[in-house]
Amino acid sequence: AQRVTQPEKLLSVFKGAPVELKCNYSYSGSPELFWYVQYSRQRLQLLLRHISRESIKGFTADLNKGETSFHLKKPFAQEEDSAMYYCALSGYGGSQGNLIFGKGTKLSVKP
Amino acid sequence: DAGVIQSPRHEVTEMGQEVTLRCKPISGHNSLFWYRQTMMRGLELLIYFNNNVPIDDSGMPEDRFSAKMPNASFSTLKIQPSEPRDSAVYFCASSESTGELFFGEGSRLTVL
Repeated sequence: AQRVTQPEKLLSVFKGAPVELKCNYSYSGSPELFWYVQYSRQRLQLLLRHISRESIKGFTADLNKGETSFHLKKPFAQEEDSAMYYCALSGYGGSQGNLIFGKGTKLSVKP
Repeated sequence: DAGVIQSPRHEVTEMGQEVTLRCKPISGHNSLFWYRQTMMRGLELLIYFNNNVPIDDSGMPEDRFSAKMPNASFSTLKIQPSEPRDSAVYFCASSESTGELFFGEGSRLTVL
């Protein structure tokens, strides 16, 4: 069965500290993985996708098929990074139809 | 474009009443999705449409839930009769065929 697991409900770090939000997935084929973010009072929006291999707002995520993980990392957290982060999986190559979301991790960056 | 527009933003109703949630996708997007968000289960896909046709409704909890998309610019999610366990935030999202999902602000439903 397709499943996305985000083991941490809440992650609290100090400004300038490295941050890693964990995401593990279960899928038998070749998945597409995404990170979505929801800032306070804003809509849920795409942060990055693994096929793009890009860094957005200093965040990167590498797909590790051996460990079935797609952890989100940033070397130096900023207060404006505080938000709810969702890892998501799509089993439809190239399309984001039928995205399966994890339960989310709330990141709190303290000054 | 104002983005995906959902209404109402908040709805409080009593058990047994009919609830209708509305969504206007971004113009030009041909896929529309309804998600439900709860503390316990997170974000769950209820149903999605492609070119106004329902493609996958396996996430719809039960027969009390129904969704329609009569045209490319409008969709509804109806719950009849509503129950307290339906209380959640319901999100609508739209996308182009292979594009990212654009979410609405959500409709917060409370069933007493």
